[in-house]
Amino acid sequence: EITLTQTPGTLSLSPGERATLSCTASQSVSTTSLVWYQQKEGQAPRLLIYATSTRAPGIPDRFSGSGSGTDFILTIDRLEPEDFAIYFCQQYSDSPSRCTFGQGTRLEIK
Amino acid sequence: QLFLHESGPGLVNPSETLSLTCSVSGGRIGGSFWSWVRQFPGGGLEWLGYVYVNYPDGTNYNPSLKSRLTISADVSKNQISLHLTSVTAADSAVYFCARDQTERVSKWEYNYYMDVWGKGISVSVS
Repeated sequence: EITLTQTPGTLSLSPGERATLSCTASQSVSTTSLVWYQQKEGQAPRLLIYATSTRAPGIPDRFSGSGSGTDFILTIDRLEPEDFAIYFCQQYSDSPSRCTFGQGTRLEIK
Repeated sequence: QLFLHESGPGLVNPSETLSLTCSVSGGRIGGSFWSWVRQFPGGGLEWLGYVYVNYPDGTNYNPSLKSRLTISADVSKNQISLHLTSVTAADSAVYFCARDQTERVSKWEYNYYMDVWGKGISVSVS
């Protein structure tokens, strides 16, 4: 099973700064299969980016994704107060489980 | 706009069966994949399984739960159901249902993502 490791566990930044979140897979992942979600307290995950770099409808362009192989990055430019949340990466494969999630990165206000 | 709403008991006795329902409004469940995902108190997310609502329906389960889990669909009610048998405290979590998209990009490539989620239901086994 492919495991995803997200770093850092917690990222402390100020509004207006740039956030760089990492997701490393234990095996190579197809770029069409790497997804990012944002989750706020008491809410369900919200789709941000799929296929490594495609923003979901309604997601601001300050969110961007990149990467290939085993290393993927979520970048958030010019942090807004509403961006402080937990971010999860997810990968899809057929073996043995349809998909797995990273453990999450908490983005907190410094 | 599609809405998903999970319902069921918030408390289940150990060794009993957890039964949850995901009611879908704003669209039909036919022709789509519907997954259940749970989130443990520590924050980790685990995919449980999906049902593909078609003729016939197809299912796929997390191997770690396959022996205890059944996911099904009721097209007439526009609902997805989850049944998890022999629950223990380790099954205590928030359970989400989500539309699980498989989007064809080319002859051999697909994009995958969960684009619509319910608010989740907290289940405690005690």
